[in-house]
Amino acid sequence: RKEVEQDPGPFNVPEGATVAFNCTYSNSASQSFFWYRQDCRKEPKLLMSVYSSGNEDGRFTAQLNRASQYISLLIRDSKLSDSATYLCVVNVGGSEKLVFGKGTKLTVNP
Amino acid sequence: NAGVMQNPRHLVRRRGQEARLRCSPMKGHSHVYWYRQLPEEGLKFMVYLQKENIIDESGMPKERFSAEFPKEGPSILRIQQVVRGDSAAYFCASSPLFGETQYFGPGTRLLVL
Repeated sequence: RKEVEQDPGPFNVPEGATVAFNCTYSNSASQSFFWYRQDCRKEPKLLMSVYSSGNEDGRFTAQLNRASQYISLLIRDSKLSDSATYLCVVNVGGSEKLVFGKGTKLTVNP
Repeated sequence: NAGVMQNPRHLVRRRGQEARLRCSPMKGHSHVYWYRQLPEEGLKFMVYLQKENIIDESGMPKERFSAEFPKEGPSILRIQQVVRGDSAAYFCASSPLFGETQYFGPGTRLLVL
């Protein structure tokens, strides 16, 4: 089983749509959780950290379910500029290494 | 405040040559991480360094790969006797302290002919 698994997509949605990405992780010792975005041939950039209580940043909402080892990202009112690959990232306690999912590609169409 | 810098951005090598990738962390950051992204794959951790110390190299291939972060100058990822399978994007990240957010550089795209 992969350490971090994501639906690879691709997701093609119209502008203004709401889209949700899911991610599961296998290591129950995981302590920190993130969503990064990666534009084509660019570096990953931190979108938001994910907290147990859930957190929101503008149009983006992240949720964490430790019991199910499940992370989600919801994007509301999607914009053309949201087109990117979204990476689910986990950090296991006591280690500095980040474990990345393969990413989910999103294309927002006009 | 300049971000993480990597050079070269693109590197072409023939099989058997050496590749040297450089990474200058953000100002004030003393922790450096190297990740590799193979085509159509996710990023994979390779190594974590602090100044003059390798802290975790659990993701480094056993042969041909080495990394250093000297007291002065950038961190270097060195690949000896490159093979076609080494073709990938190599990303460096840095953070100021243990457990802090890692910020990524633009990457070096290595192509082995």
